[in-house]
Amino acid sequence: GENVEQHPSTLSVQEGDSAVIKCTYSDSASNYFPWYKQELGKGPQLIIDIRSNVGEKKDQRIAVTLNKTAKHFSLHITETQPEDSAVYFCAASRKTGANNLFFGTGTRLTVIP
Amino acid sequence: DGGITQSPKYLFRKEGQNVTLSCEQNLNHDAMYWYRQDPGQGLRLIYYSQIVNDFQKGDIAEGYSVSREKKESFPLTVTSAQKNPTAFYLCASSMTGDTEAFFGQGTRLTVV
Repeated sequence: GENVEQHPSTLSVQEGDSAVIKCTYSDSASNYFPWYKQELGKGPQLIIDIRSNVGEKKDQRIAVTLNKTAKHFSLHITETQPEDSAVYFCAASRKTGANNLFFGTGTRLTVIP
Repeated sequence: DGGITQSPKYLFRKEGQNVTLSCEQNLNHDAMYWYRQDPGQGLRLIYYSQIVNDFQKGDIAEGYSVSREKKESFPLTVTSAQKNPTAFYLCASSMTGDTEAFFGQGTRLTVV
């Protein structure tokens, strides 16, 4: 089955700096890569996703890049703000459905004011 | 408001007792899911249902049971056979089995 590895496990940045979280996956057939943000005591919230026919996708301060050859994808947050502090999870799947998602172990991002 | 409601937020049970976690959605979604989250680990799929009266086991179904008698409800029972039940449980739903999932707020179960 699929194996998703996520790094780093914790990340601290100064407010205004950029943050980058990286994930690798093992199944070359995976073609859907969502990113979730989980705030303390809450459920994960989808913040951005990318499919394998696209190399990069941006949504305001958030971007995701995908390298299918190397089997890795990354989340980039620019101009970080304290409210970006949360745990971020990557996932990979052959299909969009949540029953097919394989999750990384999470990155705890702390934005220091 | 539309969304997914999990209750209760915190639940304590004694070892050996079965406990049922509630998940309700008013999004008219066909598919619903249960995940387990442990510290330092990613989410792991317990059970999922793509349609009423039908459900399938996920990766870690042993010690759990579910039912899907109504479209909006997908309760999870943690049985005494689950060896390590203390965890954070997340319910999710999606329009179909092939669309993005939305998560509830979770239930933290502690078994003592």
